[in-house]
Amino acid sequence: EAGVTQFPSHSVIEKGQTVTLRCDPISGHDNLYWYRRVMGKEIKFLLHFVKESKQDESGMPNNRFLAERTGGTYSTLKVQPAELEDSGVYFCASSQQGFGTEAFFGQGTRLTVV
Amino acid sequence: AQSVTQLGSHVSVSEGALVLLRCNYSSSVPPYLFWYVQYPNQGLQLLLKYTSAATLVKGINGFEAEFKKSETSFHLTKPSAHMSDAAEYFCAATASGGYNKLIFGAGTRLAVHP
Repeated sequence: EAGVTQFPSHSVIEKGQTVTLRCDPISGHDNLYWYRRVMGKEIKFLLHFVKESKQDESGMPNNRFLAERTGGTYSTLKVQPAELEDSGVYFCASSQQGFGTEAFFGQGTRLTVV
Repeated sequence: AQSVTQLGSHVSVSEGALVLLRCNYSSSVPPYLFWYVQYPNQGLQLLLKYTSAATLVKGINGFEAEFKKSETSFHLTKPSAHMSDAAEYFCAATASGGYNKLIFGAGTRLAVHP
C-alpha cells in the first residue's frame, strides 16, 4: 500500500513568486492534514480536510495560503505570493475516521523562499 | 491553549545506555498522545500511541512510554540505545474537538555515540 506522497520534495523560489505543493493521501483516508515546521521549531497545524471539505483552517497563517482538495482525493497548498517567512518544511498527513487513529505522514516538502 | 513541551532539544547518549526523552502536555482532559520519529530525509513515523487503554505503551524498535496523568507526562524510554536510534523525536497530543488534529512539541534530536 502506498503511503502519503508529497511533491515536490524541495522547492526554492524567489520572494513574490507562487508555489504549489501537492499531497496524495493514503487511499481511503477521509482526513487530510497540512502541517508546517519553520526553522526547527515545533510542527504546527495548518488545516484539516474531511473529504473535500475544510473542517478546520484555524492554523492557516494568512490569505496568501490557499488549500484545496479536489474530489476528496489529493490536496494542494498554494502560497501566493511567497514571503521569506514562509520557508520551512510542509508536511501532509492522512488518517481514517476515528478519534485517536494514527496519522500517516508524508516526507514533507522543504520550501525555501529567497 | 493546549501545549506539548519536550524538555531538551538535544540529547546525547552512549550506545547501550538508557534513552529517556521527556514530554509533558497541558490539557484539562487527558488527550491521546503519540511519539513520532523522523530519520534523516524521511517523513514522520509513528513509534507508539496512548489512547486511554494501558498506561504503559510499547512501540516499535524497543521503545516504550508511560502515561502519568498526575504528572501530565508521557516520557519515551528505551533500555539500550543503538546507533540507528539517532533521529529527531516528536511528542504530540490530540487537540480538543473530536478530530485528530495534533499539537506537537518542538522535537528532541537524539545523538548516539559509540
